Parts: sequence; structure tokens; C-alpha cells
Amino acid sequence: QKEVEQDPGPLSVPEGAIVSLNCTYSNSAFQYFMWYRQYSRKGPELLMYTYSSGNKEDGRFTAQVDKSSKYISLFIRDSQPSDSATYLCAMGVYNNNDMRFGAGTRLTVKP
Amino acid sequence: DTEVTQTPKHLVMGMTNKKSLKCEQHMGHRAMYWYKQKAKKPPELMFVYSYEKLSINESVPSRFSPECPNSSLLNLHLHALQPEDSALYLCASSPHGQAKNTEAFFGQGTRLTVV
Repeated sequence: QKEVEQDPGPLSVPEGAIVSLNCTYSNSAFQYFMWYRQYSRKGPELLMYTYSSGNKEDGRFTAQVDKSSKYISLFIRDSQPSDSATYLCAMGVYNNNDMRFGAGTRLTVKP
Repeated sequence: DTEVTQTPKHLVMGMTNKKSLKCEQHMGHRAMYWYKQKAKKPPELMFVYSYEKLSINESVPSRFSPECPNSSLLNLHLHALQPEDSALYLCASSPHGQAKNTEAFFGQGTRLTVV
């Protein structure tokens, strides 16, 4: 079993839809969680960072963490064609700089 | 400024060449990373420097040699690479892992092609 599981998609939605992206993990030691957006042939761009269970909102993006279920989500409201990218979840442990990534979900938002 | 700068953006090298990738950040971060990313795959950790000391080495072949000259700079020296080493090489930095603000910021990467 991989430490971090993420459905690679691809996921295709119409413009304006609510997108839900998810990761599960097996290592209960993970303490902080991140979501990155990566456009083709570019470096990952940090979207959201959380370290506690619950929700964190930033504009159209909401990150949700459920440590008891070892499950994290990223919701994108009012999706735009410019949101078309690969979304990577990542997680790690304090005092250990070894971040682990999910496989990435490729999202396409159609106009 | 949340910028991590990598040079060069593109690099083509022969299997007998020696080249270096460079990474720079001025955010005062004390952890710096090298990742390798193949097409349609997530980044794979290669090396981590924490307070300018190598803290993680993921059993990377010796043809890859990292160097951290100071807290703002990170190099990756390449020698005798193989075509399968062609990939996007990503540098990242984060505040030291002891703090809760451990988010990592990535550069745009160096696209390396070994011929």
C-alpha cells in the first residue's frame, strides 16, 4: 500500500462546477498537508497548507483534513478553464523534511 | 517574496558531460530540496539540506552530487548521466521542519535531456 493514494483521473468538468479532489494516507504520523497546482512543464505552485483537522478556505479553494479517517480534500468552487492543471497533494512530519506526494489528479475545466 | 529561482530552465547534455543545476532562494528558509519528476508522475525526493547539512539522501546514484554552499544556494552537480535521467529537476525550500510553517515552495524546474 502506498503511503499517499490519489486518483490520477483524468477529471473533466464544465466551467462553473464544484470540483472535489481527494487523497488518503496510511501514515498516521503525517502532521501537515499541502495542495499544489502544477501546469504542464512548470514547477508545482503551493495552493493550500494546513496542519490541523477541519476546513481552511482561501478564495475559491477550500482544503479539508480529517485526521481520524486519514483523508484530505481540496474543493474548487466556480471552476475556471484556468484551473485546468494537475493537482498534487503532499504531506509530511515536523522535524522531518521528507514530504510525500500523491500521484496527482489531472483536471480539465471545459468552457 | 516567495520565489525559488532555478537555472538553467533547459539543459541538454551528453552522457560524458559535467554540468550543474543551480537554485537560489532569499526567503530565509533553512531547508532546501532536490526533486526529480518524470512526465505524468509526482516529484520524487532526491536530497534534503537542513541548515546547510545534508539530512536526507534517498539512495540517489553518485552521478548526482548535491552541494549547499550557503543558506540561500543549492547546486546539483551532474556527471556521466544516462538517458533515463532525463526529467524535470525541481528545487524547493521551506522553513525548518521544526516549525508549524513548513510549507514548501518550488522553483519552475530545470528540464534536463541527456543524449
